[in-house]
Amino acid sequence: EAGVTQFPSHSVIEKGQTVTLRCDPISGHDNLYWYRRVMGKEIKFLLHFVKESKQDESGMPNNRFLAERTGGTYSTLKVQPAELEDSGVYFCASSRWTGADTQYFGPGTRLTVL
Amino acid sequence: DQQVKQNSPSLSVQEGRISILNCDYTNSMFDYFLWYKKYPAEGPTFLISISSIKDKNEDGRFTVFLNKSAKHLSLHIVPSQPGDSAVYFCAATKTGANNLFFGTGTRLTVIP
Repeated sequence: EAGVTQFPSHSVIEKGQTVTLRCDPISGHDNLYWYRRVMGKEIKFLLHFVKESKQDESGMPNNRFLAERTGGTYSTLKVQPAELEDSGVYFCASSRWTGADTQYFGPGTRLTVL
Repeated sequence: DQQVKQNSPSLSVQEGRISILNCDYTNSMFDYFLWYKKYPAEGPTFLISISSIKDKNEDGRFTVFLNKSAKHLSLHIVPSQPGDSAVYFCAATKTGANNLFFGTGTRLTVIP
């Protein structure tokens, strides 16, 4: 079974530019999560999809971040326009069930905003 | 405000000895706790979990202890092996909730 995949693995952009991160969950996993880790800090929850619906987006930092999951398969996270403080590693995770089930994490996308 | 704290950023242990990683939480509503292990350039990988109805859960060399009154949990690895060298994240959640609250991680180095 393939794991969670994320693309790109690393992105370097200038402040003010737009970046789109992609996540492909494990097949059959209806739940998809986005997290972010800023350098040296904790991994913070951003949002949670159940299929194509946003279940919880309480962790989204501001309206420069837009997450979508069309068709309930892969998800994209767009940052527009990017700011310096958006730099960090963005992790995607998926799980079969909601609640306290273990979430399977992807390798992350390292975003650097210059 | 951080609800899950790992106050030791790093820990070094000799191969064969016990590694003890600690985690504290502030939210008394948390009732499910997990440990994740992370290697460089990889995502966190689930290691072991514990529900608040238990005070101990064991899986091979890994044991997690939960002290609800102290809002403290610990991960014991015995015996420690060089392949255990990684960053360990403690995470917590509430039953029915979907977001995990993570600590900042502890980098474990097992010295051969």
